[in-house]
Amino acid sequence: RKEVEQDPGPFNVPEGATVAFNCTYSNSASQSFFWYRQDCRKEPKLLMSVYSSGNEDGRFTAQLNRASQYISLLIRDSKLSDSATYLCVVKPFTGGGNKLTFGTGTQLKVEL
Amino acid sequence: NAGVTQTPKFQVLKTGQSMTLQCAQDMNHEYMSWYRQDPGMGLRLIHYSVGAGITDQGEVPNGYNVSRSTTEDFPLRLLSAAPSQTSVYFCASSSQGPSGNTIYFGEGSWLTVV
Repeated sequence: RKEVEQDPGPFNVPEGATVAFNCTYSNSASQSFFWYRQDCRKEPKLLMSVYSSGNEDGRFTAQLNRASQYISLLIRDSKLSDSATYLCVVKPFTGGGNKLTFGTGTQLKVEL
Repeated sequence: NAGVTQTPKFQVLKTGQSMTLQCAQDMNHEYMSWYRQDPGMGLRLIHYSVGAGITDQGEVPNGYNVSRSTTEDFPLRLLSAAPSQTSVYFCASSSQGPSGNTIYFGEGSWLTVV
């Protein structure tokens, strides 16, 4: 079983749609969780951290369920510019450091 | 405002050749690491460093060496290139402080081994 699993997609949605991505992780000791965005042939960039209480940043909402070891990302009112691959990322230890475990990513295509 | 700089961006190597991927950051970050990204595999950690003079192996270290003589630089050496090392390589850095959860990546190095 992969440490971090995501549906690879692609998710093809019309502009303005709401789309949700899910991610599961296997290491129950994982401490920090993130969603990264990666555009084609570009480096990953942090989209948002994910907190147990859930958090929102504009059109983006992230949720964490530690009991089920499950992370989600909801994108409302999709824009063409949201087309990218979304990476679920888990860090097993608290504090600093950058030993991250990446999911394979979910590809989103927003269409007119 | 350079951030993390990787060179070269593209490289073609013959099997058995050696080369070094350069990585430099100007943010005074303690932590630096190298990842490779392959289709269907996600990013995988090759080597990492928690400070100058300290390095350790990640998930897929075989065939690669690193050193960290300064805070700024973290080169990745391919000792004897193999076709299995064809990949996209990303260097990353982050700080130890409260903002340490933000990882900054370089733009990537596309390596093909023939």
